[in-house]
Amino acid sequence: GAVVSQHPSRVICKSGTSVKIECRSLDFQATTMFWYRQFPKKSLMLMATSNEGSKATYEQGVEKDKFLINHASLTLSTLTVTSAHPEDSSFYICSAVFLSGLFRETQYFGPGTRLLVL
Amino acid sequence: GQNIDQPTEMTATEGAIVQINCTYQTSGFNGLFWYQQHAGEAPTFLSYNVLDGLEEKGRFSSFLSRSKGYSYLLLKELQMKDSASYLCAVILRGAGTALIFGKGTTLSVSS
Repeated sequence: GAVVSQHPSRVICKSGTSVKIECRSLDFQATTMFWYRQFPKKSLMLMATSNEGSKATYEQGVEKDKFLINHASLTLSTLTVTSAHPEDSSFYICSAVFLSGLFRETQYFGPGTRLLVL
Repeated sequence: GQNIDQPTEMTATEGAIVQINCTYQTSGFNGLFWYQQHAGEAPTFLSYNVLDGLEEKGRFSSFLSRSKGYSYLLLKELQMKDSASYLCAVILRGAGTALIFGKGTTLSVSS
C-alpha cells in the first residue's frame, strides 16, 4: 500500500510553546490530507481537512488559530499546535487520500505523533 | 447525525474464526473501510467495500450490504498478533472526504 510518514513520532514540550508535526505522502501525491486526534481508548476524531493550495476546513469545536494547518505541496501537510497546553496532549494522526481508480480511493494513515505537554 | 455501531469487545482463541459486525446510519454513503489498530499505533488499512458482496484478502474478508446498512469483517485462522482494535469507517461522499469512524472493536485472541 501507499506510505505516509509523520514526524516527529513523539514530542514532549513545555506549556505555552508551539509544536509542528509534518505529514508526508512518500510515494504518491495527495491533494487531500486529514488530521485526527485520538485520546486513549477512544476513537479517532477528525480535526480538519487539509487541501493543497487552499485553506483547511476545521471541524466544529476545533480552534483554527490554535491548530494551524498548512498544505503547501501535494506531498506535505503540517499541523502546528500553538501555545500548547497539557490538555492538548494526545495522539495526532494524519491520513492521505490515495486514488487508485476512478471510483476507488483509500485513506492511508501516518504512524502518528504522540504529543505530551508538560 | 451519523451513527456507526460496532461491538465494543470480542474474544476468541487462536485458530478460530471471528466475525466483527458494523451497522451504519449515515446521511451519505460512498464506501466502507476496515482498519486494524494496535495499541499506541496508527490504523492500518485492511479493506474497502463500495459494492455489495464479499471481498476476500488472505485471512481477512469483508462483506457489505448497502441496503441493510451492514458490514462485517471476517478473520480466519486467528493468530495472537490479530489482537487489536478493528475500526469500521464510512466515507460519506466522493473522493477526498473524511471518514466517519465507529468506536472500534477490541479483539483479544488467546491461546
